[in-house]
This record gives sequence, structure tokens and C-alpha cells, in this order.
Amino acid sequence: DTEVTQTPKHLVMGMTNKKSLKCEQHMGHRAMYWYKQKAKKPPELMFVYSYEKLSINESVPSRFSPECPNSSLLNLHLHALQPEDSALYLCASSQDADREGELFFGEGSRLTVL
Amino acid sequence: KNEVEQSPQNLTAQEGEFITINCSYSVGISALHWLQQHPGGGIVSLFMLSSGKKKHGRLIATINIQEKHSSLHITASHPRDSAVYICAVPPNYGGSQGNLIFGKGTKLSVKP
Repeated sequence: DTEVTQTPKHLVMGMTNKKSLKCEQHMGHRAMYWYKQKAKKPPELMFVYSYEKLSINESVPSRFSPECPNSSLLNLHLHALQPEDSALYLCASSQDADREGELFFGEGSRLTVL
Repeated sequence: KNEVEQSPQNLTAQEGEFITINCSYSVGISALHWLQQHPGGGIVSLFMLSSGKKKHGRLIATINIQEKHSSLHITASHPRDSAVYICAVPPNYGGSQGNLIFGKGTKLSVKP
């Protein structure tokens, strides 16, 4: 199984809603990542989890709250988002955050904030 | 800071043509990634290479570390190859594997 699975594929939410994005991998990878991608732009790194611990937060607003309940699962909790947060949110994993290795990406969750 | 330049930005080809996409970077690296993204879709890792050449099906990637240059070739292109192809390198200051520096991408359109 070389897949990274993201749910939901599409999400529409209001600015007062609370929702979550979910990411799962069963490759035994110890590093997992959240990226945000706006249209026609490259992905921007948001968070890095290494061995289930948050190792990098790229100055992401607190309305985005990541969580890594176990080594296979990564969540992104969303609360009080703004319309400019509408984007494709990509999850990725790799064997180790600190060593060269292939990155495996999910299909993404397309978020629209009304 | 490592800069990544891709060319061309847009490329239209006829089915069956041989395609080349180029990537140049400014600072020495240990590995380079080629990624593919279909419209509205997720990203697929095509290659990670640190020297020489790799081949997978109709895709070939080469890298010249001394010249800080990599190319992605597609032989016998097909409409399903239409996608954005992205070159990415790790930051030269070290740091997380995931903190890649991405090129702006090459949008490929293959016409039947």
C-alpha cells in the first residue's frame, strides 16, 4: 500500500464552522506533512510531524490546528476560517523528516470557505 | 536561498511527440524531485534522483549535479500526460525533507 488517503475530497464551510481534514498512510512512514496550495501556485508547507511530534509550524494562523493521534493518522482541525483560506490542502508522508527520501502525496482536500 | 527555475512555463505538444522539461537550481543539492499534478488533483512523485538518470515507463529524468540542471523527458507523449510538472529541491540550509523549494511548474498539454 503506497497510498496517502485524504478525506473529505471537498469541503464547504462557513466562517463560524468547525471542521476537520483527515490524512492516513499505512507505509510505516514516520514523517507527515500538511501543505496549502492556491490555484496555479506551488504548495506551501504548513506543518511537519516527525515521530508523531510537531517539528515545524511555518507560522500558520492558530485557526489551523494539526493533530497526530498515531503514526498513521494526521488531522487538520479548522475553526473560524477566512475566505482567503480556500485552497487545496495536501497531505504527504515520507520515511523520515530529516533524511532524503521520496514524498508520497494524497489527492488533497479542496476547501471552500464562504 | 536555493532558487528553482523551470522552463518552459507552458508547453503544447501533439500526441506522440518527445517532450523535454528543464529545471535549474542555484545551490548544490543532494537530491531533486520531479512531481506531477493533474488539474484539480493531488501530486504524484515521479522521480527522486541525486545523480545520473532514472527511467520509469515513458518517463526519463536526468540530472547533472555540476551544472545544477535536471531534465524530465516524456517519450511518445499521450493526452493523459497533460498535467503540471514540478521540479523541487531541498533547502540548502538543511531542515525538513518536506520543506522543499518548488519550481513554478510546467503546464503540459498533449493534443490528440
